[in-house]
Amino acid sequence: QSVLTQPPSVSAAPGQKVTISCSGSDSNIGKNHVSWYQQVPGTAPKLLMYENAKRPSGIPDRFSGSKSRTSATLGITGLQTGDEADYYCATWDDSLTAVLFGGGTKVTVL
Amino acid sequence: EVQLVQSGAEVKKPGESLKISCKGSGYSFSIYWIAWVRQMPGRGLEWMGIIYPADSRTRYTPSFQGQVTFSVDESINTAYLQWNSLEASDTAIYFCSRSIDFSGKSDFWGQGTLVTVSS
Repeated sequence: QSVLTQPPSVSAAPGQKVTISCSGSDSNIGKNHVSWYQQVPGTAPKLLMYENAKRPSGIPDRFSGSKSRTSATLGITGLQTGDEADYYCATWDDSLTAVLFGGGTKVTVL
Repeated sequence: EVQLVQSGAEVKKPGESLKISCKGSGYSFSIYWIAWVRQMPGRGLEWMGIIYPADSRTRYTPSFQGQVTFSVDESINTAYLQWNSLEASDTAIYFCSRSIDFSGKSDFWGQGTLVTVSS
């Protein structure tokens, strides 16, 4: 059971939008920035978002991030088949003194 | 081009020792933290801890403290993850990644090393 809670799966048709939530607490998301990663099965994770809402170079603006109090959200618009992957949130936890990952959310394009 | 290249897959028996590597190139290796992340079969990502190559400062997630050891050889831009006595539950893919700080942001990742522990 992860300290950061994500829905196990979300799905939508091509071109539609999905949102993935990441729920934490005051000791982690409440005080620290959130990063998001995309992992296609069999490959290494890829940084999608950092400092809650910033995209690394090369990440399209179809991906967006936000944070409110102890929750963060990743949005993907204009869904494409290439977006099928597992998505993880991550942040520092002041109490555990460690980086936490969410349990991961599988995105399926119908 | 920034790259982290990890050593190849390993098959070990319980009780054996193991050291896997992560070689950085294309950037100043010493001034970026190297994080280690475990992914057990069919499971999510777990942050094991982090090491700073310039002075070998380390921070371990409590659940991994005492179970593994991080080290670096700055002269060859390589970080290591070591076990003294493997268990079957150590079977997983291990990733190294480059981090600027403890925020959880890792901008470059190694390809992963599969470690299989089986009698």
